[in-house]
Amino acid sequence: QQPVQSPQAVILREGEDAVINCSSSKALYSVHWYRQKHGEAPVFLMILLKGGEQKGHEKISASFNEKKQQSSLYLTASQLSYSGTYFCGIKAAGNKLTFGGGTRVLVKP
Amino acid sequence: SAVISQKPSRDICQRGTSLTIQCQVDSQVTMMFWYRQQPGQSLTLIATANQGSEATYESGFVIDKFPISRPNLTFSTLTVSNMSPEDSSIYLCSGTGQGGNIQYFGAGTRLSVL
Repeated sequence: QQPVQSPQAVILREGEDAVINCSSSKALYSVHWYRQKHGEAPVFLMILLKGGEQKGHEKISASFNEKKQQSSLYLTASQLSYSGTYFCGIKAAGNKLTFGGGTRVLVKP
Repeated sequence: SAVISQKPSRDICQRGTSLTIQCQVDSQVTMMFWYRQQPGQSLTLIATANQGSEATYESGFVIDKFPISRPNLTFSTLTVSNMSPEDSSIYLCSGTGQGGNIQYFGAGTRLSVL
């Protein structure tokens, strides 16, 4: 079952912060975050394997609440290069990665 | 990280024909997958490509329509058979590295069916 992402879209000014949420109805083994720019491959950002763990990538960090079956991606002091569509992918049982609907992020100067 | 190459990068095909998409990985991967992505939409898993055996298909996808081969650890093909305009989409190959956790993607094949 597809995880639910929110918001569907967000527009930021350079330097502003944003949070993208990903929630699942299933118990999760891991949460994976990707960013995809138009016409390009999804690029791996980070993976979260443990509940409550926070990982970081540049000024992008994420948390994983295993009990709530939720993950959040934090875009801090956003840069123009952060524009793109962010997908969360979840692994429940098995090795299949199931993706959320995506969140479009546009960072303006 | 694994570098995944796909070809063709795009194609325009006639209804009723078939297209085979190739996926080459620069290092051995444990698992390979094929996804479909409508423009502006999420990624939908078509199947898991198993080395030397039949692929494992997701609900809504069948082998007759999307035959998949994976003769070795670094190469796989997806064929879109008897195409119709509804098959117009982006098809992406993906593979997991040696650790089995991180999944990498190719740039995709943009298919248009007339």
